[in-house]
Amino acid sequence: SQQGEEDPQALSIQEGENATMNCSYKTSINNLQWYRQNSGRGLVHLILIRSNEREKHSGRLRVTLDTSKKSSSLLITASRAADTASYFCATVRKTGANNLFFGTGTRLTVIP
Amino acid sequence: KAGVTQTPRYLIKTRGQQVTLSCSPISGHRSVSWYQQTPGQGLQFLFEYFSETQRNKGNFPGRFSGRQFSNSRSEMNVSTLELGDSALYLCASSLERTGNEQYFGPGTRLTVT
Repeated sequence: SQQGEEDPQALSIQEGENATMNCSYKTSINNLQWYRQNSGRGLVHLILIRSNEREKHSGRLRVTLDTSKKSSSLLITASRAADTASYFCATVRKTGANNLFFGTGTRLTVIP
Repeated sequence: KAGVTQTPRYLIKTRGQQVTLSCSPISGHRSVSWYQQTPGQGLQFLFEYFSETQRNKGNFPGRFSGRQFSNSRSEMNVSTLELGDSALYLCASSLERTGNEQYFGPGTRLTVT
C-alpha cells in the first residue's frame, strides 16, 4: 500500500505562477524525496530532505518538512510549460530498508 | 554514464502466461529495486536486490519473483499472469543501500489480455 496522500490530485496553473503540492505520510521517516514523472515514463529524482532538516532549496524548487505533522510541501516557482508532469513524494522509513514508499501523486499542468 | 535501461519497453501477454523483465542498473550501482505502477494502486514496491540477494520484499504474491546477477543486472519474473498484473514496471538503481536517491529506468509497460 502507499505511504501517504498528496494534494491536490491535480493542479492547473498559468506559466510564471508558483505551484505548491502537499504530501502527508504515516510513519517515522529517515528522509523524504520528491520525484517527477512525465507521461508514463520513469521517475526523475528532484530533491531529498532528511528528517532533521526543515527546508531545502534546489534551483526553482523549495521543499519543507514538518515531522511533527508528518507532512511536506514542494513549491515550484516561476513555473514553465516543461514543468507539466506528475509529482510524487516518497519516504524512506527509519527501519533501514532502502525502498521508497510513494504518495498518490499530483498531476501538474502548466498552461503556456 | 548510461542510465538505467529496461527491456523490453512494451509487452503484451495472455492470462496464464509468464513474463521476464530485465533491468541493467547504472554502472557501479549495486542495489536494484522494482516497483509496479497502476492507476488504481499507484506506485508500489516489489522487491530490492543487493549483492545478488533479495534484501526486502513488498506485499505481492509469490507469482512475482526476481533475481540479481553478479554484474548487478536484475530480472523479475511474473508467472501465471492475471489481468490485474497489467502495469508499468519500473526498475531503480542506487549506489548502495543508503536510502538516498534512486535512479529509475523508463519502465516496461506490460499488458495482459
